[in-house]
Amino acid sequence: GQQVMQIPQYQHVQEGEDFTTYCNSSTTLSNIQWYKQRPGGHPVFLIQLVKSGEVKKQKRLTFQFGEAKKNSSLHITATQTTDVGTYFCAGELIQGAQKLVFGQGTRLTINP
Amino acid sequence: DGGITQSPKYLFRKEGQNVTLSCEQNLNHDAMYWYRQDPGQGLRLIYYSQIVNDFQKGDIAEGYSVSREKKESFPLTVTSAQKNPTAFYLCASSRGAADTQYFGPGTRLTVL
Repeated sequence: GQQVMQIPQYQHVQEGEDFTTYCNSSTTLSNIQWYKQRPGGHPVFLIQLVKSGEVKKQKRLTFQFGEAKKNSSLHITATQTTDVGTYFCAGELIQGAQKLVFGQGTRLTINP
Repeated sequence: DGGITQSPKYLFRKEGQNVTLSCEQNLNHDAMYWYRQDPGQGLRLIYYSQIVNDFQKGDIAEGYSVSREKKESFPLTVTSAQKNPTAFYLCASSRGAADTQYFGPGTRLTVL
């Protein structure tokens, strides 16, 4: 079926290092959303990107939506221990059922 | 205080028993969802409902059943036909089918 692929599955960094997770779809997306799930918690909405080539920032987090609207990335600059968790992308496919399709998530662990 | 609630937080059942997980929202959202999450894994869609009295199967509906008799409520029954029911179950709601999803705190089900 139609999927949204996310890489890497796991990433371990030293505190202060940067981190990036990538989200790719074989199908054009209407929009893409990013969520964060802290260990033991539930996913929480971070941001939504809608326009081709859009870039949004939230403090140390930078979100990008590709020109073709088939990929997206989340980049964290100078990670802190509070960034630990699993980051999910979720895309609405232009073709097919109107619903969000979640990526598998990237689990970020940080060595203080 | 608006939000989405799930109860109970932890649930233990004996093998062969059906069990119903509760999900209630007071956000006036039309769409509601059930996801299953296994340790260290992503979100897998079980069922979703875009409107009262209607619901659709997700990717892993076998062994589960739902109802949507009220806008606020979307209970999930894990039947004895579900071969490996021990997991973390997350309920979510959104205004529309592909809008931002708000997740409940989840129910950890353990089948002994």
